[in-house]
Amino acid sequence: AQKITQTQPGMFVQEKEAVTLDCTYDTSDPSYGLFWYKQPSSGEMIFLIYQGSYDQQNATEGRYSLNFQKARKSANLVISASQLGDSAMYFCAMRGLFSGGYNKLIFGAGTRLAVHP
Amino acid sequence: NAGVTQTPKFRILKIGQSMTLQCTQDMNHNYMYWYRQDPGMGLKLIYYSVGAGITDKGEVPNGYNVSRSTTEDFPLRLELAAPSQTSVYFCASSQTGASSYNSPLHFGNGTRLTVT
Repeated sequence: AQKITQTQPGMFVQEKEAVTLDCTYDTSDPSYGLFWYKQPSSGEMIFLIYQGSYDQQNATEGRYSLNFQKARKSANLVISASQLGDSAMYFCAMRGLFSGGYNKLIFGAGTRLAVHP
Repeated sequence: NAGVTQTPKFRILKIGQSMTLQCTQDMNHNYMYWYRQDPGMGLKLIYYSVGAGITDKGEVPNGYNVSRSTTEDFPLRLELAAPSQTSVYFCASSQTGASSYNSPLHFGNGTRLTVT
């Protein structure tokens, strides 16, 4: 079975500093995708970044980067130069190709990030 | 671009009432999903569909039904509403294909449902 674990219920960071949000996963799938979503207080789900299990390089999207360590089954999100607008809930999610669930995205419990001025 | 549209945005139901949450997408995605999010929690999959006429259960299907008669629409039906179904409901869609596992889900803005 697939599982996503986010061990940090809450994090805070000073504006303009970098922060790392942890995500570990468990899967027996040889091919899978890892995703991060942001959920601001308004409630919508915003896709941030994707990492494929066979990607050789860590994914980057603007101020977001993914620290992917396949052997350790971790896919941590790094936000550089934090802004007040980064305050939100962040979810790690996974989608596998063969484990009966390549149609499904499973989510971790989330980490609430607060950016302080 | 409308993307994924959910209606209504808010709804209060009495115990035992029924309702249908509407979801439509204009991206020609074959895959569609219903998730629920309880306060302070992650999202749990209720039902999903890989195309018109095909639906399957997710992690928490009890108390819900779905249908998929067209590519665009994927309504979620609540029969005999219970307080445990108080939650925020998200509809989502994604691309189809052999590499669909690397396609993100596109979410609607959610429906906040309270059952009292």
